[in-house]
Amino acid sequence: DQQVKQNSPSLSVQEGRISILNCDYTNSMFDYFLWYKKYPAEGPTFLISISSIKDKNEDGRFTVFLNKSAKHLSLHIVPSQPGDSAVYFCAASASGGYQKVTFGTGTKLQVIP
Amino acid sequence: GAGVSQTPSNKVTEKGKYVELRCDPISGHTALYWYRQSLGQGPEFLIYFQGTGAADDSGLPNDRFFAVRPEGSVSTLKIQRTERGDSAVYLCASSLAVTGELFFGEGSRLTVL
Repeated sequence: DQQVKQNSPSLSVQEGRISILNCDYTNSMFDYFLWYKKYPAEGPTFLISISSIKDKNEDGRFTVFLNKSAKHLSLHIVPSQPGDSAVYFCAASASGGYQKVTFGTGTKLQVIP
Repeated sequence: GAGVSQTPSNKVTEKGKYVELRCDPISGHTALYWYRQSLGQGPEFLIYFQGTGAADDSGLPNDRFFAVRPEGSVSTLKIQRTERGDSAVYLCASSLAVTGELFFGEGSRLTVL
């Protein structure tokens, strides 16, 4: 049972345009959501997070939006840069003790110069 | 460096052999996680340590897999009687607090022939 789903395995965007990566989740206990970025041959690195008490969190070019009723979140990157080309993982966890983080399958973003 | 260190970076073994993978977390991080990532998939949770004890080992696929963290720092993931299906990248992560902001190592790529 895939509790965190990223239905788009890949995305191509022109440099300077907006990249939108989507994620859906099924577990209503999830209340903390994260995006990780992964380059080849490296471990994932934390990018941005959002708590369920918010519907938006912004950090520079990266903004995460959360729609709890739809169990959907998205990551917006604007403007997109070639260095943003990587695999992006959506992840989620539930509070009430330690937070076991559940990852989606990833979306490979390619930013075309 | 001050990041999470994993050794070996690559391990090729034969079916039925025993394998140990080592993780050296960031100094001072009390939480340590093992994940497994197969091709085209997101990281899959295996086990979580808080200090020396395995607080959650629900992700270990079967009793061939075992992990220890005897002094609350370095951890070793042990796989007995390896099978071809065990081939994957094994990721270790640590965190300072009980949050989802995990710091990952580069992973140990295991290939079982």
